[in-house]
Amino acid sequence: DTGVSQDPRHKITKRGQNVTFRCDPISEHNRLYWYRQTLGQGPEFLTYFQNEAQLEKSRLLSDRFSAERPKGSFSTLEIQRTEQGDSAMYLCASSLARTETYFGPGTRLTVL
Amino acid sequence: KNEVEQSPQNLTAQEGEFITINCSYSVGISALHWLQQHPGGGIVSLFMLSSGKKKHGRLIATINIQEKHSSLHITASHPRDSAVYICAVNGNEKLTFGTGTRLTIIP
Repeated sequence: DTGVSQDPRHKITKRGQNVTFRCDPISEHNRLYWYRQTLGQGPEFLTYFQNEAQLEKSRLLSDRFSAERPKGSFSTLEIQRTEQGDSAMYLCASSLARTETYFGPGTRLTVL
Repeated sequence: KNEVEQSPQNLTAQEGEFITINCSYSVGISALHWLQQHPGGGIVSLFMLSSGKKKHGRLIATINIQEKHSSLHITASHPRDSAVYICAVNGNEKLTFGTGTRLTIIP
């Protein structure tokens, strides 16, 4: 499978714990995006990378959130001190500039 | 007001009916995407449009840049078309999404 992959697919954690998600984009794609989707809503932009550079961060991305793409390949999204409001589907997507965007299956986070 | 508005929010139709979902946007864009999301599932890209019309099987997408409007049509709808259809626009490098149209096709 050469699509976008995400790991884990589901994560249940207790409030206050840290969680980390991983995204592996399509190998030749230089752009990688993180979006968050809550129930019944469309996805919302969190951040995006061009190669290893993080070019834009949404104001939704509080200080508890950090994303990295260390070698311009896979990316990680970490949430520290999780809150119940962080419960959502976290979607990763990748693309080449101005071409079709491909989405991963998402990581569903539940904070108890 | 959202930058991307979809209508209707929910649509129920009989198998075989012609389906139209509309998307209006208020910002300048380089491209518009139509996406499909099944319950509990990931998002699949159906079309990326910057002008005119595209067709793939029973799906047709059109865009009118001047009117900032796009439509997604499904001909001869089938229960397996039941899903949430999301319109998203490429503004400044990232996608801005509508809230989706939940389509249910009854056999």
